[in-house]
Amino acid sequence: SQQGEEDPQALSIQEGENATMNCSYKTSINNLQWYRQNSGRGLVHLILIRSNEREKHSGRLRVTLDTSKKSSSLLITASRAADTASYFCATDHGYSTLTFGKGTMLLVSP
Amino acid sequence: DAEITQSPRHKITETGRQVTLACHQTWNHNNMFWYRQDLGHGLRLIHYSYGVHDTNKGEVSDGYSVSRSNTEDLPLTLESAASSQTSVYFCASSGRAGATFYNEQFFGPGTRLTVL
Repeated sequence: SQQGEEDPQALSIQEGENATMNCSYKTSINNLQWYRQNSGRGLVHLILIRSNEREKHSGRLRVTLDTSKKSSSLLITASRAADTASYFCATDHGYSTLTFGKGTMLLVSP
Repeated sequence: DAEITQSPRHKITETGRQVTLACHQTWNHNNMFWYRQDLGHGLRLIHYSYGVHDTNKGEVSDGYSVSRSNTEDLPLTLESAASSQTSVYFCASSGRAGATFYNEQFFGPGTRLTVL
């Protein structure tokens, strides 16, 4: 399976702290995307990074990509309680479909 | 506003029954996808379609079928429901409308299916 793997499976932090989650994948990609899923809801696209990019920013989100290590990280700075959700990485291997990882559950406590 | 909807949101059925889950999008997207989400497995692709009359099998297609007769709808049918198909099902679509990137996917709210 080409499925990505997020690490850690669960993360618990305090408001104001930074949250970092990682994603590893097995085969070459065109791009890698991160999605958020609030409890009981569908996934929402957060950010995309292309295979020729190393870093991308969007608001409080920072994504890095290391294609030599086949890994990516998502950093959420100054976390808020509203950031509590599951976060998934999804890889595009060139077939217009995406392969999702199993997700990281983030809990941000007030 | 454009959106993607799923119905029903919750469904309880019995083993062996045929079940159809509806997915409707008003984004005018060509691409549509069905996933199932289970604890420990994340999202797994069941079937997908790149346009009208096009359908393709995903990673876990056994026991499921889809048909695409128009741009807006991609119903998912469980021919003979099994307890192993108890899951949360998500429909998604992708295309140029509303997206920053061509394969950014927009998800519906999900259908929770229980097979007894």
